[in-house]
Amino acid sequence: DIVMTQTPLSSPVTLGQPASISCRSSQSLVHSDGNTYLIWLQQRPGQPPRLLIYNISTRFSGVPDRFSGSGAGTDFTLKISRVEAEDVGVYYCMQATQIPFTFGPGTKVDIK
Amino acid sequence: DVQLVESGGGLVKPGGSLRLSCASSGLTLSDYTMNWVRQAPGKGLEWVSSITSTGTSIYYADSVKGRFTVSRDNRKGSLYLQMNSLRVEDTAVYYCATDWVRWGQGTLVTVSS
Repeated sequence: DIVMTQTPLSSPVTLGQPASISCRSSQSLVHSDGNTYLIWLQQRPGQPPRLLIYNISTRFSGVPDRFSGSGAGTDFTLKISRVEAEDVGVYYCMQATQIPFTFGPGTKVDIK
Repeated sequence: DVQLVESGGGLVKPGGSLRLSCASSGLTLSDYTMNWVRQAPGKGLEWVSSITSTGTSIYYADSVKGRFTVSRDNRKGSLYLQMNSLRVEDTAVYYCATDWVRWGQGTLVTVSS
């Protein structure tokens, strides 16, 4: 199974300041079809997960452009350029390249 | 408006069974691979099962293989998860999701004596 790790696990951030979350996979997430199925999900308190970014860096429809994804192979990053109050929650990276699909442990983002 | 609504959760004793349903509206279910993901109280997300659009291919996490069965009825726009031989560690909120885009609100399954 592919193991997903995230750092940090907790990220207190000042409003308007940037935040960055790192995600690492135990093996390459490049699929045989050439795509890399690395997904970022946001889960606000009491809510189901919400898709933010797929295929490493493609923002889903309606996701603010302050969110960006980057990386390749086994190392990926989610950046929030300027954290807003509505960004509080837990962020998960997930790989959908290989069954079983696996999630990172989550990074809790809150406001200082 | 697109909606996925899970139902069927509840309290069950260890060894018991439950059948979860996920009803869709505002989308054509047959266009999507569907997934079940669960989240134990206060914990992270765990993939449970996936079923392709026509039901041709089905996959399970090792933790539920042989106990859970996923199915779908595209005519009814519904996805199901039959859960047998339930264990305390199956306690979680169970979410259905399209290909990671649309998620339901979840249904809570509690396995306890």
